[in-house]
Formats: sequence, structure tokens, C-alpha cells
Amino acid sequence: AQTVTQSQPEMSVQEAETVTLSCTYDTSESDYYLFWYKQPPSRQMILVIRQEAYKQQNATENRFSVNFQKAAKSFSLKISDSQLGDAAMYFCAYGGSRLTFGEGTQLTVNP
Amino acid sequence: DSGVTQTPKHLITATGQRVTLRCSPRSGDLSVYWYQQSLDQGLQFLIQYYNGEERAKGNILERFSAQQFPDLHSELNLSSLELGDSALYFCASSGGTLAEYEQYFGPGTRLTVT
Repeated sequence: AQTVTQSQPEMSVQEAETVTLSCTYDTSESDYYLFWYKQPPSRQMILVIRQEAYKQQNATENRFSVNFQKAAKSFSLKISDSQLGDAAMYFCAYGGSRLTFGEGTQLTVNP
Repeated sequence: DSGVTQTPKHLITATGQRVTLRCSPRSGDLSVYWYQQSLDQGLQFLIQYYNGEERAKGNILERFSAQQFPDLHSELNLSSLELGDSALYFCASSGGTLAEYEQYFGPGTRLTVT
């Protein structure tokens, strides 16, 4: 079974700074997808970024980028120029059809 | 707004009762997924339907069942409710050709069992 681990229960960052959230996963599959979801206080799950395992190029969406290391089974999320609105719980997820989520990292953005 | 709708937003009921949660996927999406988010179990996949047929099953209790109708909306039925069933239940949908596995979540239904 696939597992996803987020080893940082909480992180904080100063507004306008950069922060990196860590995620590792375990799988025997060679083709899969990885995602980062954001859950603000409203509890809505918002898709932040997606990475296909067969792509070597790291995905980027505006201020959000990933560092995907397939051999190390690592998938970290970098948030640049952090904004107050980035404060949320961030979940790393592995999947194709069904998603397996990590425990989440609570990100605080300090003004 | 993800385009996925869920009703009701909140539900309070007693132990032993039965409830139905409803989900309408994004326009054009054929897959519907159900997830449960609780404090002790985190986010767990329950079940997936694709174009009316069950596609994958996760940690779904026998007291729970789901279906997807011809208009692609889905319902999750929870019966013989227990206190531990209190959770946030999410529906998600996917199905675009370029993003078959990108799941977009609805706002969730918060179930409280008293």
C-alpha cells in the first residue's frame, strides 16, 4: 500500500519570504501522480499543484513550485514570496484514481 | 469555486440514524470520489464511481454505501450512525481529458452525530 509522510506538522514563514514543505512517499508503482492541496480555515480543499511521475521537469504554478526527486521518493513544495493568504493546512497526496494523503503541515504566515 | 457542489453543508443527527449526502460533480466530469476527514483518521478515500459504476473502494464501512446516478450526481448513504462517524465528508470529481486524475473537491458536508 502507498503511504505519504509529511514530517513537519507545523511551519511558519515571514510574509514575502520563501518556505519549503516536505513530503515523502512510498510506492512500488512507476507511473503515478503527486499533488499538493491547500486547506484554509474554510476547510475547502484547493488543488495547488500537480506532478506526473514520468515527467522529469518540476511543476510550477506562479509562486508555487515543487522539487520532485523520484528515486528518493520525495516531493517538496516551495512557496515563494509568501502571502498572508497562503496560511493554511497543506496536504501532500499520492494517487491516480484514489488519493492517499499525508497528515498535513499547518503553515502560518507572519506579517 | 471548484464547480463541485455538496448538500447539505451541515448535518446534525443522532446515533442509529441514517443520512444521505449529495454531490454534483463539475460539468463534464465522469468520476466522483468520496473522502472522509476526521481528527483521528485524517483524510481517507472511501469510494470512487465512474460514469455510474463503482471503480474503486477504500476504507468504506459496510454501514456506508454510495451510488452514482445517470445524471452523474452521487449520493453517499450512512446508516446506523455512530459517534465516530462525525467528520467532514468531501466529494471530489475528475474526468477532463488532460487532467483525468486532477480531483476537484466540493466544500464538504460536516456531519455531527450526537
